Amino acid sequence: GESVGLHLPTLSVQEGDNSIINCAYSNSASDYFIWYKQESGKGPQFIIDIRSNMDKRQGQRVTVLLNKTVKHLSLQIAATQPGDSAVYFCAELSSNTGKLIFGQGTTLQVKP
Amino acid sequence: DSGVTQTPKHLITATGQRVTLRCSPRSGDLSVYWYQQSLDQGLQFLIQYYNGEERAKGNILERFSAQQFPDLHSELNLSSLELGDSALYFCASSVGWGLNTEAFFGQGTRLTVV
Repeated sequence: GESVGLHLPTLSVQEGDNSIINCAYSNSASDYFIWYKQESGKGPQFIIDIRSNMDKRQGQRVTVLLNKTVKHLSLQIAATQPGDSAVYFCAELSSNTGKLIFGQGTTLQVKP
Repeated sequence: DSGVTQTPKHLITATGQRVTLRCSPRSGDLSVYWYQQSLDQGLQFLIQYYNGEERAKGNILERFSAQQFPDLHSELNLSSLELGDSALYFCASSVGWGLNTEAFFGQGTRLTVV
C-alpha cells in the first residue's frame, strides 16, 4: 500500500539522552512532512512539520531535519523523558494529490 | 482533546455484516481523512473529503465507502465484513488540504469482526 518507510521498528534510549528517529520517503513530489506521536489507545498527535523548501525546523525539545537529496527525514528529541515513550510516525503529503501518507512507525522506549 | 469526535469507540460485529463509523471534525475544519490501523501496523490512508467532495483516495476496498455531509460530519461504511477488517479506524480533520494543513486525529473506533 502507500506508505513512507521507517528505518527501525524500535528505539530504546536512556532518560535524558537525545533520541533520533529516522524516516525515508519515496515520493519526490511530496512537499510537506509531519511527525506524529501516538500513545497507546490514542489517536496520533501532531508534533512538528516541515515544508520541502526548508531543511531544518525546531520546536520545543524537537527538531526535524529534511534531506531532500536522499529523501530522508529525521526527528530529534532532546533530553528524552518517560512521557516521550510512544510510537512515532512520519507522514508525507503532496499538495498535488492531497494524500497524507504515513510510515510504519518507530516505537520509542525510554529507560529510567 | 483534539476536537475530532468519533463514534462508536468500540464495535464488535460478525463477518458479513455492515457497520457505519461516524466522525465529527473540529469546528471550522473542512477536510476529513479516514485511516485504517491494523495491529502493529502503520496508518493506511483510505480516503479524504473536502467540503463534501471526495478529494483523494487511497487503498480503500470496494466494500468500503464514505461520504461527507453538508454539516461536514463524515461516515465510513464497511460492508461484507471480514475478519481481516478488524482494526482501529481513525478520522482526522484539517482546515483545508495541502501545505501546512495540520491534521488532528480523533480517538479512533476499534472494530472487531468475529
